[in-house]
Amino acid sequence: SQTIHQWPATLVQPVGSPLSLECTVEGTSNPNLYWYRQAAGRGLQLLFYSVGIGQISSEVPQNLSASRPQDRQFILSSKKLLLSDSGFYLCAWSPLQGRNQPQHFGDGTRLSIL
Amino acid sequence: QKEVEQDPGPLSVPEGAIVSLNCTYSNSAFQYFMWYRQYSRKGPELLMYTYSSGNKEDGRFTAQVDKSSKYISLFIRDSQPSDSATYLCAMSAPGAQKLVFGQGTRLTINP
Repeated sequence: SQTIHQWPATLVQPVGSPLSLECTVEGTSNPNLYWYRQAAGRGLQLLFYSVGIGQISSEVPQNLSASRPQDRQFILSSKKLLLSDSGFYLCAWSPLQGRNQPQHFGDGTRLSIL
Repeated sequence: QKEVEQDPGPLSVPEGAIVSLNCTYSNSAFQYFMWYRQYSRKGPELLMYTYSSGNKEDGRFTAQVDKSSKYISLFIRDSQPSDSATYLCAMSAPGAQKLVFGQGTRLTINP
């Protein structure tokens, strides 16, 4: 069966520091991969998605970036964090084969910027 | 106007009650519909996935889609305290890589 891992679960960072969040998927090949941010009491905002290694689509202009160095690895980064980057970051995957398949989420990283 | 509207609640009902959660949408291209359950400090978990009008049942959960009215529902029968969570609807158009989510409804089942 497929599993998705995100780490760390919780992170507290100072303003202006760099960020690297990692997500890996097991038990499947060539997945679509997604990064979302969820603000308190609000819905899910899609940040980036990827259909293959090195292929990244950005949904929202911001100081975050994403990379996919391996088939089942997705990384969210920032060079300098802002207070507004605080939130709950979720990684998700869906099968590449068969469009419109549902997405499956990891348990997220809660990021607090001080 | 948002593409998907979902009442954020909160919704509080007694244990054993039937719960009805709803979403409306404006984009007639949406053909695939999902319901997710999200416990506090956890990621959303897929509950139901359907792509046809009508009802789909899985245990105590029933998903209902009315494409003519652009309205979807999730019914929970014999609700349990463990059903207390935020429920998110999501949908997509054919060929789309992305899902469009509702805001989520916070549900509390009181023992």
